[in-house]
Amino acid sequence: GQQLNQSPQSMFIQEGEDVSMNCTSSSIFNTWLWYKQDPGEGPVLLIALYKAGELTSNGRLTAQFGITRKDSFLNISASIPSDVGIYFCAGANQAGTALIFGKGTTLSVSS
Amino acid sequence: DADVTQTPRNRITKTGKRIMLECSQTKGHDRMYWYRQDPGLGLQLIYYSFDVKDINKGEISDGYSVSRQAQAKFSLSLESAIPNQTALYFCATRSTGRTTYEQYFGPGTRLTVT
Repeated sequence: GQQLNQSPQSMFIQEGEDVSMNCTSSSIFNTWLWYKQDPGEGPVLLIALYKAGELTSNGRLTAQFGITRKDSFLNISASIPSDVGIYFCAGANQAGTALIFGKGTTLSVSS
Repeated sequence: DADVTQTPRNRITKTGKRIMLECSQTKGHDRMYWYRQDPGLGLQLIYYSFDVKDINKGEISDGYSVSRQAQAKFSLSLESAIPNQTALYFCATRSTGRTTYEQYFGPGTRLTVT
């Protein structure tokens, strides 16, 4: 079945640094979504991408839908302590009936 | 008020017990989902429903059942809980539009089976 490989698994950075994470797949996805999960909470949608090559920003966050439709990237600029959490990529399956999630990137930010 | 609510937020139960987790939403969405989250494994789909009369198995449905009592309510049951069902459980909703796949999650239920 379709699977997503998300990397890195975890990151430890200093406040103010930029962060980059990505998701790749062996199969094509028509939609990429990025979520953030704070401890003890449910995932919250950050950015949705619907078109190959699309670059979308949400404040300090920027995500891109890879031109091959097999990958997506999320960048966070000038990280702050509240960026701490788990970031998930997700893609809509081929039937469009469900999302497939990556295993998450855990971000830690030290001040 | 939250758009997607889950009850209970935390539950400890014993092996063999039946337990029900409940989800309610005020977003007016037709589609509802139940996921399980284990550390390091991301989110795995248990069941999903496109309307009151439509129930579909996800990738890890064994040991679980669901009921869609109304458009706004979707419950997950563990008929006979076992320790490896200890996990975080999330409900999510999505609108019906074919051009949007965005799902919105509840706050989760932390279930421990002893």
